[in-house]
Amino acid sequence: GQNIDQPTEMTATEGAIVQINCTYQTSGFNGLFWYQQHAGEAPTFLSYNVLDGLEEKGRFSSFLSRSKGYSYLLLKELQMKDSASYLCAVMDSNYQLIWGAGTKLIIKP
Amino acid sequence: GAVVSQHPSRVICKSGTSVKIECRSLDFQATTMFWYRQFPKKSLMLMATSNEGSKATYEQGVEKDKFLINHASLTLSTLTVTSAHPEDSSFYICSASPLERSYNEQFFGPGTRLTVL
Repeated sequence: GQNIDQPTEMTATEGAIVQINCTYQTSGFNGLFWYQQHAGEAPTFLSYNVLDGLEEKGRFSSFLSRSKGYSYLLLKELQMKDSASYLCAVMDSNYQLIWGAGTKLIIKP
Repeated sequence: GAVVSQHPSRVICKSGTSVKIECRSLDFQATTMFWYRQFPKKSLMLMATSNEGSKATYEQGVEKDKFLINHASLTLSTLTVTSAHPEDSSFYICSASPLERSYNEQFFGPGTRLTVL
């Protein structure tokens, strides 16, 4: 079956760095997405990786290793507004998005 | 750019009534629109994929007669929850994929919170 695993919850301190991991097992691979979702709101797009390596976009970076079925989202210089759930999603061979359950990130002052 | 709107944002209805939710892409044309539902603290569950002018493709376990989807134009899709029951209470989210994107990036609407009494 298809499976996306990510930690349920993480806590970090304002100004620090946090890494949210995601491992996946899917039927085919057409890219991996990271979304941010604040409570009660729809997800917003953060990043897309289809090739191995690191993609940097401001304070957020996303890494992919296809051979290991592994990705991480790195958040630097954490701000209180970064408190949200972070969803990892993989597009399979049918171009369907398979979603992880999300990682709730709690930022403490 | 790439804004998707949903209406209404919240709806409370009595059991047995039908509720229509609209999803619009405001500044782009969407070949495909997706409908999701999300339960508290759970991930998004894809309900159906709709392409403009053709019938929606429903995911396994989703009743097509219960959740009617119409994709009338490249900017509008509607989801009608027919004869709603309390178990249909959920957060419904639509997303749309722009035509011109080279990968299947989805832009999400703000969601509709449905409460069935």
